[in-house]
Amino acid sequence: GDSVTQMEGPVTLSEEAFLTINCTYTATGYPSLFWYVQYPGEGLQLLLKATKADDKGSNKGFEATYRKETTSFHLEKGSVQVSDSAVYFCALRGATNKLIFGTGTLLAVQP
Amino acid sequence: NAGVTQTPKFRILKIGQSMTLQCTQDMNHNYMYWYRQDPGMGLKLIYYSVGAGITDKGEVPNGYNVSRSTTEDFPLRLELAAPSQTSVYFCASSLTLPRSGDYEQYFGPGTRLTVT
Repeated sequence: GDSVTQMEGPVTLSEEAFLTINCTYTATGYPSLFWYVQYPGEGLQLLLKATKADDKGSNKGFEATYRKETTSFHLEKGSVQVSDSAVYFCALRGATNKLIFGTGTLLAVQP
Repeated sequence: NAGVTQTPKFRILKIGQSMTLQCTQDMNHNYMYWYRQDPGMGLKLIYYSVGAGITDKGEVPNGYNVSRSTTEDFPLRLELAAPSQTSVYFCASSLTLPRSGDYEQYFGPGTRLTVT
């Protein structure tokens, strides 16, 4: 069945460092891909999405490109801030029409 | 708009007790969902509903029941609580129309449940 694999955390960075959180997927057909963010004590919020190969989703300085050839959707940000500290979830919506989530990656940004 | 609200925020249950987790959305969304999030794991879908009066099982429905009598409310019922149901529970909703493309799910803040 469909699945999402994302890098283990926690990821600890200094402010203004470059961020990459890896995400790969397994799915039949052409899934849509998402990154959700969960700030402490809150529910998940959609961060960005991409619906077809080579699409780039972007929001709040974060970017991710839908790479069908490598079945990947890595999240990147050029300069992280303390306020970016959160748990980041990669997810896909495939043939079942339901969201399949990865295990989440905790990002801690230190001043 | 309050969005998706959940009550309670925290709850401790004894084994065998029952409780209902409440979820309400004020966005007139047709789809609603219940997920559980275990430590170090992704979210798992428990039940979902495509509209009032219609519910269906997700990936991990055992030990739970749901109902959807109104568009706004989607309560999750735990009967005979077990330690394996210790988790964080999230309710979500979305506006999903045929061939509408990719719809965003809006999540509530979660209910942290401990069964001892």
